Amino acid sequence: DAGVIQSPRHEVTEMGQEVTLRCKPISGHNSLFWYRQTMMRGLELLIYFNNNVPIDDSGMPEDRFSAKMPNASFSTLKIQPSEPRDSAVYFCASIRATGNNSPLHFGNGTRLTVT
Amino acid sequence: KNEVEQSPQNLTAQEGEFITINCSYSVGISALHWLQQHPGGGIVSLFMLSSGKKKHGRLIATINIQEKHSSLHITASHPRDSAVYICAVRSRGGDKIIFGKGTRLHILP
Repeated sequence: DAGVIQSPRHEVTEMGQEVTLRCKPISGHNSLFWYRQTMMRGLELLIYFNNNVPIDDSGMPEDRFSAKMPNASFSTLKIQPSEPRDSAVYFCASIRATGNNSPLHFGNGTRLTVT
Repeated sequence: KNEVEQSPQNLTAQEGEFITINCSYSVGISALHWLQQHPGGGIVSLFMLSSGKKKHGRLIATINIQEKHSSLHITASHPRDSAVYICAVRSRGGDKIIFGKGTRLHILP
């Protein structure tokens, strides 16, 4: 299995531009999480989906952030317009929601820099 | 107060020392995860626990459900163990995963 795949690995953009981050979860995993990691705040949950349905988006910082999961194998996190304070590493993770014995798998993250 | 608290925040030790990292949580959980992140690296899962104790090589993880506490131990620590160790809990009755802020471990040669 290829694991959780995120793209791009790095993104540098100017303030005001739209940014789209992509995630492909592990096949068969039905929960998907988007996290943001900064030095100051550590890992923060932004939103998570169960069976492609958004369950909890209370961590999404502002209306500038939106996430979609159109099918079981793809999710996007969009920031529009981007701001310098959005600079962080964004991780996607997936897990099999049923049962307690499924480990959590992370993608390699997207390092976003907004100038 | 955070729902998942880790201690210490930072730890520096000499190679060979026995290391303990603690995690306390305040919510009902169905599972607890210990994760490792090397500098500039991705996050990998070390353990997933719902009770008792697990061992993998020099790493040991324990959990006390009644006390809502888990520990991660590293025996015979090595510089390559230097990383951030993160405790995460999966809330009972839901699938939300809540993270601690991590413990930054530095093992000196």
